[in-house]
Amino acid sequence: KQEVTQIPAALSVPEGENLVLNCSFTDSAIYNLQWFRQDPGKGLTSLLLIQSSQREQTSGRLNASLDKSSGRSTLYIAASQPGDSATYLCASTDSWGKLQFGAGTQVVVTP
Amino acid sequence: EPEVTQTPSHQVTQMGQEVILRCVPISNHLYFYWYRQILGQKVEFLVSFYNNEISEKSEIFDDQFSVERPDGSNFTLKIRSTKLEDSAMYFCASRAEGYEQYFGPGTRLTVT
Repeated sequence: KQEVTQIPAALSVPEGENLVLNCSFTDSAIYNLQWFRQDPGKGLTSLLLIQSSQREQTSGRLNASLDKSSGRSTLYIAASQPGDSATYLCASTDSWGKLQFGAGTQVVVTP
Repeated sequence: EPEVTQTPSHQVTQMGQEVILRCVPISNHLYFYWYRQILGQKVEFLVSFYNNEISEKSEIFDDQFSVERPDGSNFTLKIRSTKLEDSAMYFCASRAEGYEQYFGPGTRLTVT
């Protein structure tokens, strides 16, 4: 059974610092890895999807890497801003698209 | 930009009552999902639906749960006899042939 783990559970950084969020998974036979942002009491916003054949994906200040062999993905957020404060979730995908989520990393960016 | 919508945003019901949570997926999407998130816990998969049938379901999705796509736009989750432990945020998601899933804003279900 796939287990997805995110470390650390919480992170606080001053504005302008780069953020590094880690995600690990036990079963390397994933189809894709998707990163989401969740604001308190809100839904999930898709940030990036990395296909299993890719090693990284970029969107603006966000960059996500995927290393299937080691069971790891990392989300980098450059030059963090207070508006980046949220919980970041990673999730692996199986062949039917079922998402298996980690518990998330709660990020606070202080001005 | 197209988005997934869900109604109601908050539903309060008494234990033992039936509830129906409604979702309108993105119009050209083919795969539909329900997830739930109990307060303070991980988002959990409930069920996936494709071509008018369930393609995969979790252990949580027992006989008390059912899904339906009654017309070309709505996708519903029914809980026949709610329990206190069904209190959670329920999310609907959809995707096209690609694997990126798009989530709705959620329905907060409170069972008293």
